[in-house]
Amino acid sequence: ETGVTQTPRHLVMGMTNKKSLKCEQHLGHNAMYWYKQSAKKPLELMFVYSLEERVENNSVPSRFSPECPNSSHLFLHLHTLQPEDSALYLCASSQDLWSRSYEQYFGPGTRLTVT
Amino acid sequence: QKEVEQDPGPLSVPEGAIVSLNCTYSNSAFQYFMWYRQYSRKGPELLMYTYSSGNKEDGRFTAQVDKSSKYISLFIRDSQPSDSATYLCAMSIVQGGSEKLVFGKGTKLTVNP
Repeated sequence: ETGVTQTPRHLVMGMTNKKSLKCEQHLGHNAMYWYKQSAKKPLELMFVYSLEERVENNSVPSRFSPECPNSSHLFLHLHTLQPEDSALYLCASSQDLWSRSYEQYFGPGTRLTVT
Repeated sequence: QKEVEQDPGPLSVPEGAIVSLNCTYSNSAFQYFMWYRQYSRKGPELLMYTYSSGNKEDGRFTAQVDKSSKYISLFIRDSQPSDSATYLCAMSIVQGGSEKLVFGKGTKLTVNP
């Protein structure tokens, strides 16, 4: 295991539901990331947190709302999603944003289906 | 033009074959070049990284970077069924004071016993 866990592993939700994805890292890292992985598309960086502070929001729609209560936990709150939001959502962490941030450790992802 | 181009395959080879995976890029500001491996139902894991042009070897894996041609490769010697996975190239760039990764689409590799 990589030291990054994600729950739930699978989620099916209707367009009017509200749900949250959870990520936890046990590596003592200071930076955490949310990525979206869709079929036949590159990983898309959504959000970046460094020491609980959001440092990047990659033009992500407001129906995705991240939260980082401490350096070990990261949440992605979902509401009024669209079917095109169905994808694998990956959480990752790295030591920090400025040293070896290319060495990212990924969780197994949450497979989200929006009906 | 996309920043990182990678042929998604799929690529199917017999066990023991030499595998060559490639990516091209357009941005000269990329600094580190990585290969991530992603098994089915798992997240990507870092396989190798390089900084400068040239070759870097790790067991059966060799990463090659040619900055003049903006081309990177991953070679797998004596491929094994356990190498069956999707291989993602990634490149790092500093933007807005922090470093971020830009990924290719990934190449799905199957090694047949």
